[in-house]
Amino acid sequence: DTEVTQTPKHLVMGMTNKKSLKCEQHMGHRAMYWYKQKAKKPPELMFVYSYEKLSINESVPSRFSPECPNSSLLNLHLHALQPEDSALYLCASSQIPRTQPQHFGDGTRLSIL
Amino acid sequence: AQRVTQPEKLLSVFKGAPVELKCNYSYSGSPELFWYVQYSRQRLQLLLRHISRESIKGFTADLNKGETSFHLKKPFAQEEDSAMYYCALRRETSGSRLTFGEGTQLTVNP
Repeated sequence: DTEVTQTPKHLVMGMTNKKSLKCEQHMGHRAMYWYKQKAKKPPELMFVYSYEKLSINESVPSRFSPECPNSSLLNLHLHALQPEDSALYLCASSQIPRTQPQHFGDGTRLSIL
Repeated sequence: AQRVTQPEKLLSVFKGAPVELKCNYSYSGSPELFWYVQYSRQRLQLLLRHISRESIKGFTADLNKGETSFHLKKPFAQEEDSAMYYCALRRETSGSRLTFGEGTQLTVNP
């Protein structure tokens, strides 16, 4: 399995909802990432997990809460999001050392009403 | 701070013509450079990394430290090359953090 799988593919939620994005990989990668990508823009790094521990938080608002329950799974918990949070959320993984190339998932397209 | 510049947001060529997507960077250390490609409705994929010095899908890119450039080239463009191309830089000290350029949308016309 050489893929990063993200679910759901699409998500529409209200500003008061709580939802979670999921990411899974079975390549044995021990670094996992969350990115946010707006239309026609490059991905912006949000979080990095290394050996299931949060190593980078790019000053992301607390309404985004990442979680890495094991080496294959990465979640992004969402609560009280704003309309400007509507975007494509990408998960990626890489081997350690993290100098290895990152493999990206298809993303979850999130719309906030 | 490091920066990656892709001067062309849009680039249009005809099938069979040569294509060059420009990428310039500013960083005083020893960076690692990548090209990522995103086809319509597909995931972001690694196309090339400078340390591999390989050709993928007919594309090549050479790191020119003197000109701080990492341009992507292909001698004969194909319609299936139409996609968004991102140049990215990783500092030797930043571990995993990638800095992306704004991207170039390449359209190859029949």
